[in-house]
Amino acid sequence: GAVVSQHPSWVICKSGTSVKIECRSLDFQATTMFWYRQFPKQSLMLMATSNEGSKATYEQGVEKDKFLINHASLTLSTLTVTSAHPEDSSFYICSARGGGDGGYTFGSGTRLTVV
Amino acid sequence: AQSVSQHNHHVILSEAASLELGCNYSYGGTVNLFWYVQYPGQHLQLLLKYFSGDPLVKGIKGFEAEFIKSKFSFNLRKPSVQWSDTAEYFCAVRGGATNKLIFGTGTLLAVQP
Repeated sequence: GAVVSQHPSWVICKSGTSVKIECRSLDFQATTMFWYRQFPKQSLMLMATSNEGSKATYEQGVEKDKFLINHASLTLSTLTVTSAHPEDSSFYICSARGGGDGGYTFGSGTRLTVV
Repeated sequence: AQSVSQHNHHVILSEAASLELGCNYSYGGTVNLFWYVQYPGQHLQLLLKYFSGDPLVKGIKGFEAEFIKSKFSFNLRKPSVQWSDTAEYFCAVRGGATNKLIFGTGTLLAVQP
């Protein structure tokens, strides 16, 4: 079945630094990928839709300059949290639509802790 | 805009009890509906999905869900839960031509042996 690999699975960084999270579709091409943020004991909040070869579409309230998304190829999307602050600490999850059945496949998530 | 609500935030059941988790969505047009499960420490896994056709959808691990268009609902059911069903369950909807998948708030199910 369709597999989405997300890396790293966890990262700790200092306040003010930037962190890049990668999301790869391993066995299918994904023209569209999605980035979610999940707070503890809460649901997944869609942050942005990543489109291959074009700019990402951000949801209302998401700072596009803080959360930079690049979808340079049909199998890779990256999310860069710029100038991270403790309030950016969260669980970030990517997903891709593909694999032939019209469904969505999710990565295993990245736990970001900003200290 | 589409939205999803899950009424049960936390459910505790004994093994062999029946399960029904509520899910209602808000969208006026054609929808695709999904139930995902997230076991502790693991990523989201698809339980079942509805695109069209038979409104009673059967998924993995004995789960099923019924799409009732008139009620804007897509409740998840399982006749007899097991301890291994302890997890968080998310209902999600994709409306119309959009690719965006919107999630409900999730229901944490704890099954006691």
